[in-house]
This record gives sequence, C-alpha cells and structure tokens, in this order.
Amino acid sequence: GENVEQHPSTLSVQEGDSAVIKCTYSDSASNYFPWYKQELGKRPQLIIDIRSNVGEKKDQRIAVTLNKTAKHFSLHITETQPEDSAVYFCAPTSWGKLQFGAGTQVVVTP
Amino acid sequence: NAGVTQTPKFQVLKTGQSMTLQCAQDMNHNSMYWYRQDPGMGLRLIYYSASEGTTDKGEVPNGYNVSRLNKREFSLRLESAAPSQTSVYFCASSLPRQSSGNTIYFGEGSWLTVV
Repeated sequence: GENVEQHPSTLSVQEGDSAVIKCTYSDSASNYFPWYKQELGKRPQLIIDIRSNVGEKKDQRIAVTLNKTAKHFSLHITETQPEDSAVYFCAPTSWGKLQFGAGTQVVVTP
Repeated sequence: NAGVTQTPKFQVLKTGQSMTLQCAQDMNHNSMYWYRQDPGMGLRLIYYSASEGTTDKGEVPNGYNVSRLNKREFSLRLESAAPSQTSVYFCASSLPRQSSGNTIYFGEGSWLTVV
C-alpha cells in the first residue's frame, strides 16, 4: 500500500508570510494528488488538487507543485491569514482506497 | 442535495455495547469510506467500498464491520465497543474518474465515546 509522509508536522508562521508543506509518497502508480484542509471541529475539505500530467497548479493564494520523479508534492500558501490556521492533509492516490498523511498543523500568528 | 449524511452525531457507549453508525450519500458516488480520527491525529481508514456489494479492509479494521447496503448507504458496526474505539468517525464518498480525479466528500463526523 501507499506510504505517505508529511513534513513538517507543525508550522507556525507570521501573518503575511508564506507556508510550505511537503508530502512524500511511495506508490509510483499514484496519479492524483489532493490537499485537504480541516478546521477545528469540522470535516476535511478539498482545497486544491493536481493530476500527474501537470507540474503546478495555482488557485489565488494557494498552489500545489508536483515532482513525480522524486515522488513528492507540496502545498504553498502565500500571504497567510488567520483563517489559514488549520490542519492540512495530503492524500496521494492511484484511484484505490485513499490514505491520508498524518497532517500538518498550521498556526498563523498576527 | 445534502451530500454525505451520517448519524448519530454524538454517542456515549458502555464497554461491550454494540452500535451502528449510519451513512448515506446522495451524490451517486461509487466509492464510500469510513475513517477514524483520534484527538490531534490524522485520518485512518477503517473500511472502504469501491462499489455496491464490495468492501475492503483499511489500516485499522479490527473491531469493526461494515455493510454496503446499496449504492447510497454504508454502515459501520461496532460489535463490542472498547475504550480504544473512542474517536471521531467520518464517513466519506467519492466518484473516481480519470478525467477529474478522486475528490473525497466527508460527512460532518460522529463523536463516539466509550466508557
């Protein structure tokens, strides 16, 4: 099965700075790379995803980059705001059962 | 369009009791999942169903059983609850497609405490 690792496990950033979270996976057959955000007490929700034939995707202040050769993809958040404080999960998959990384707790301090 | 609906939202059980968590989705998704999330922890897959009539074990299946009753419904049963099963349980569904990916949609969660 897929072995998924996320780094760092916690990330504290000043409001306005950038945050980067890296997800490393083991299954070379993985071809779909999403990031989910979970606010305290709520359900996880998709924030951005990328397919294996694309190297980068942006959506306003968030972006995802993929390095299939090295088997990792990263979430980039620019101009962080307090509402970006949450736990972020990656879930690389090859269409089978999805397994999530352990999560990264992001805290944005004013 | 309610998405993924799971019940109950909160439950307290005594050790040894049994209960079933119900889940239904109205998005015509093929795949359904049950995850558990312990405090401060990630999401761990309990069971997975790729389609009606099929189920598959995830990372932590011991102590649980599932039923994919039809395309809409996927229930999770605890036969003899243990304190180690105190957790938040999320049901989820998705429609894997080569053209669009495999976005998972989660229910609101069920908070289960076993005393």
